[in-house]
Amino acid sequence: GAGVSQSPSNKVTEKGKDVELRCDPISGHTALYWYRQSLGQGLEFLIYFQGNSAPDKSGLPSDRFSAERTGGSVSTLTIQRTQQEDSAVYLCASSPSRRGPGTDTQYFGPGTRLTVL
Amino acid sequence: EDQVTQSPEALRLQEGESSSLNCSYTVSGLRGLFWYRQDPGKGPEFLFTLYSAGEEKEKERLKATLTKKESFLHITAPKPEDSATYLCAVQARGGSYIPTFGRGTSLIVHP
Repeated sequence: GAGVSQSPSNKVTEKGKDVELRCDPISGHTALYWYRQSLGQGLEFLIYFQGNSAPDKSGLPSDRFSAERTGGSVSTLTIQRTQQEDSAVYLCASSPSRRGPGTDTQYFGPGTRLTVL
Repeated sequence: EDQVTQSPEALRLQEGESSSLNCSYTVSGLRGLFWYRQDPGKGPEFLFTLYSAGEEKEKERLKATLTKKESFLHITAPKPEDSATYLCAVQARGGSYIPTFGRGTSLIVHP
């Protein structure tokens, strides 16, 4: 079946511009995560959606970052007024459910490489 | 605060030279420990989930083990195609289900 997809695969933007990154999770997966991965660094958690619950935004680094998940499926991560330090790979992951063993496994998309000039 | 430390940061092996990667963790009640493989330019790919101390799982040349403080990923007779970064993550019981990831071990297997 189809895995997690992300678009665009690469995005080059100028400092100060807004960008939108898209994630299509695996159909039926109720949980969706956004992470940021900088060169040589681990995965930095950004935001977590679970079903219809309010998202956990505790990882968002500033108010320039926001995310939505429409209809419990597709998610968009928006970065406003981009800065050079926002340059990184943005990864999206989905998982089936928060209940039961084996249901927390995360399936990752290929990522969007963001470069802010 | 949950913490995950992976060692070594980088490992170079000759083809066929078995070794182990370490993941030490601190968590307030373990729900699950995850191993992922990440190839350059790609997202992490799930390998194993371990839930309790003493548990072991195998897949081809990889074997993951778990104790109350750490997990090992044993690689037996590695091949060049095993070259990748291996990530470990832990998920705590209760509260947030957000996993904490280690920084990974970069493995290079030379032919």
